[in-house]
Amino acid sequence: QVQLQESGPGLVKPSQTLSLTCTVSGDSISSGSYYWSWIRQPAGKGLEWIGRVFTSGSTKYNPSLKSRVTISVDTSKNQFSLKLSSVTAADTAVYYCARVGASRTFDIWGQGTMVTVSS
Amino acid sequence: QSVLTQPPSVSGAPGQRVTISCTGSSSNIGAGYDVHWYQQLPGTAPKLLIYDNTNRPSGVPDRFSGSRSGTSASLAITGLQAEDEADYYCQSYDSSLSAYVFGTGTKVTVL
Repeated sequence: QVQLQESGPGLVKPSQTLSLTCTVSGDSISSGSYYWSWIRQPAGKGLEWIGRVFTSGSTKYNPSLKSRVTISVDTSKNQFSLKLSSVTAADTAVYYCARVGASRTFDIWGQGTMVTVSS
Repeated sequence: QSVLTQPPSVSGAPGQRVTISCTGSSSNIGAGYDVHWYQQLPGTAPKLLIYDNTNRPSGVPDRFSGSRSGTSASLAITGLQAEDEADYYCQSYDSSLSAYVFGTGTKVTVL
């Protein structure tokens, strides 16, 4: 079955860039059937959509984060990535990658990775 | 700043029925965008529970049901069980924001 796995540093210093990768198994990103997305959740709080990428590399971002976010795809590695620049403590959260299924549902999720922004 | 509003918490005894509301606006639910629901058990990733307002993915018990009307949607859990204790989130799309949006989340407690 399709599985997603996030990876990347668990600790990032303020003002630096947060970088995460999501590795997809059991499906090919190149199939062009889905969008691929990042979502985050601060401790004890709700879910926030960050953005999505398509196989072609086309992207769509949450307007509230757009100026700091870059999402890219590497079809050769079956991965997609998130970069969030100029991070502050407010960016501390569990970051999830997810597949965007039909009707704009997030039908498959990674287990999530905790990222703390601290000096 | 969630644009979909849910009650912070609901509770019920085992076997009872509970409902969770999700209130949006004319730029999301009211614009006809479908509503989806997710269940997040403690310490785990969210799981798709209801899609396209009323449909259950394979493996989701029929105790869970969804509905949508106007600018709101609801999730009902009948025959409440201890394993249903979790956080529940609604989700849709907002045309004004051009973004996927989530509800504020509701914690279900089984008494």
